[in-house]
Amino acid sequence: SSELTQDPAVSVALGQTVRITCQGDSLRNYYASWYQQKPGQAPVLVIYGNNNRPSGIPDRFSGSRSGNTVSLTITGAQAEDEAVYHCGSRDISNNRVFGGGTKLTVL
Amino acid sequence: QVQLQESGPGLVKPSETLSLTCTVSGDSVSSTTYYWGWIRQPPGMGLEWIGYISHSGSSNYNPSLKSRVTISLDTSKNQISLRLTSVTAADTAVYYCARVPYYDSRIFDYWGQGTLVTVSS
Repeated sequence: SSELTQDPAVSVALGQTVRITCQGDSLRNYYASWYQQKPGQAPVLVIYGNNNRPSGIPDRFSGSRSGNTVSLTITGAQAEDEAVYHCGSRDISNNRVFGGGTKLTVL
Repeated sequence: QVQLQESGPGLVKPSETLSLTCTVSGDSVSSTTYYWGWIRQPPGMGLEWIGYISHSGSSNYNPSLKSRVTISLDTSKNQISLRLTSVTAADTAVYYCARVPYYDSRIFDYWGQGTLVTVSS
């Protein structure tokens, strides 16, 4: 079983704000990264470190951390944001771990 | 622009060895600022980290796969290789190669498109 826990599915109305969460003990000490994966495609890095966005990622994507929970917030969700979102980090033994993924539906 | 492209057999028999290659363009696997890694995703499931390797050959593997996996670099061809021995149906997955920055080795900033490997007789 994954050491990072995500809700399997979340929905949001078009243009509204949605928060996708990821919980795990290691997140108290390490930042997480977030990946967007659309059907039949490879994951794409959207957030890393202390709320950093790679070049080309819209600023409606943001990240935060509180205790053992990290969150990906999409402010003003668009139809093209519908995807599975995976969180990733490391554990205390320096292994890389992923959450099970959250399927985001934009209504 | 960095691009990664996986290649290899799409079908492997149980108990045999899975071998994949990832060809990198737009960067060098000899780079001193990146690791190179593999991640897999069983059909309909989440991502599983396999491991990564540095230009110097130092590696870090998922403990659950460590006894069966080897990642290596071919600098002359600018390729990363994955070898997984004694495969079973549980190893059926899409296999991705990815680049890992030294400045934050928890992230995978560029991914290949992935290749599906099915383990079946």
